[in-house]
Amino acid sequence: QQPVQSPQAVILREGEDAVINCSSSKALYSVHWYRQKHGEAPVFLMILLKGGEQKGHDKISASFNEKKQQSSLYLTASQLSYSGTYFCGTEREDSSYKLIFGSGTRLLVRP
Amino acid sequence: DAMVIQNPRYQVTQFGKPVTLSCSQTLNHNVMYWYQQKSSQAPKLLFHYYDKDFNNEADTPDNFQSRRPNTSFCFLDIRSPGLGDAAMYLCATSDRTGDYSTDTQYFGPGTRLTVL
Repeated sequence: QQPVQSPQAVILREGEDAVINCSSSKALYSVHWYRQKHGEAPVFLMILLKGGEQKGHDKISASFNEKKQQSSLYLTASQLSYSGTYFCGTEREDSSYKLIFGSGTRLLVRP
Repeated sequence: DAMVIQNPRYQVTQFGKPVTLSCSQTLNHNVMYWYQQKSSQAPKLLFHYYDKDFNNEADTPDNFQSRRPNTSFCFLDIRSPGLGDAAMYLCATSDRTGDYSTDTQYFGPGTRLTVL
């Protein structure tokens, strides 16, 4: 039931791009993306709603493919501050207002 | 302007000694959640309250209980902590206004529980 995230880990040089994917076997209503740094709480990045548009701010954007129940997070021109673990939280159509988190993607951005 | 506050930030308890973690919010959200997050794992939902309506996850151990005396506060009680209960406990809130989310969940800073 847990959504599948890929890749599990990625190492970038500053300025490079990355894509993180999240897929579910169940019909989703929304996908929430968070970034968590070690020892801290998850920080909200963006929410994608069923029927909504692709979101983005600054150099981070995301999309939600309702047909495939997949979401992707796009990080462009990565900065050192992007390092952390990225989680997708999925809200299923049969379980509203509850998030099931993917296993996470560890991102390390090096100078 | 802290919105979701958790106390204490760090809690050390002994094996089998009851412990209570607290969460308060200034957002006036009607849903409050408790998550358990172990090292290098995803947050795992333990239970949540929609107003006073308590919703327990099927795989949450009986050792974990919760209370929500009013809109602003929610407590997590661990009746007999075991070594396997050492984790970060995260409180979150959301505002339920329709059939599905239109906004995200807001997390507190977490309480790191150590069991000796």
